[in-house]
Amino acid sequence: EVQVVESGGGLVQPGGSLKLSCAASGFVFSDSGIHWVRQASGKGLEWVGRIRSKSNNYATAYAASLRGRFTISRDDSKNTAYLQMNSLETEDTAVYYCTRLAELGPSVTTDFDYWGQGTLVTVSS
Amino acid sequence: DIVMTQFPDSLAVSLGERATINCRSSQNVFYRSNNRNYLGWYQQKPGQPPKLLISWASTREFGVPDRFSGSGSGTDFTLTISSLQAEDVAVYYCQQYYAIPITFGGGTKVEIK
Repeated sequence: EVQVVESGGGLVQPGGSLKLSCAASGFVFSDSGIHWVRQASGKGLEWVGRIRSKSNNYATAYAASLRGRFTISRDDSKNTAYLQMNSLETEDTAVYYCTRLAELGPSVTTDFDYWGQGTLVTVSS
Repeated sequence: DIVMTQFPDSLAVSLGERATINCRSSQNVFYRSNNRNYLGWYQQKPGQPPKLLISWASTREFGVPDRFSGSGSGTDFTLTISSLQAEDVAVYYCQQYYAIPITFGGGTKVEIK
């Protein structure tokens, strides 16, 4: 059974930091690009960024709107990915989802087929 | 960035009737080398994460009812629910995974008339 579990959300003041975790099981984590997607209350889906698999050199990419404040990392030995969020702004308030694109070499072989339930990040004073 | 435009923003359909959602990408999302459109459709119900319904523009995911179908190529795509059921009330999103940044349409809210 596939499980994706995000954790680490909570209330943080503007300018603060938070680190989210994404623990996965039931699929080959090391062959997956891990992506973060967020959703503000009542709004649509916004891609945050991704980290590719080892065979793709753990390449990262981020939404330009984040202006370098977020960093994605992974530990394949723990089947876990992370989203480090710094200099948080009220506009970062959202549910943060972890999902994956399976990779075969440089190619993507799935769309976002597995999602966690999300973790809520609230940035407020 | 590839802009995904969905229309309509919302629609109300009678039970058993057809629902059609359109999605247009600002750039081609068809990759000639593997003959695939990098276009997905998702269903999201309140309080739940998105659920992948259709990948590669027209491939239904395992377990998705066959009343859901996807079509189109290049820049114009359609999600069709052939016979709307009560459990299909949700917001539907299209998404391109052809290029980074991955982008989503604004969503279409489907309700029962």
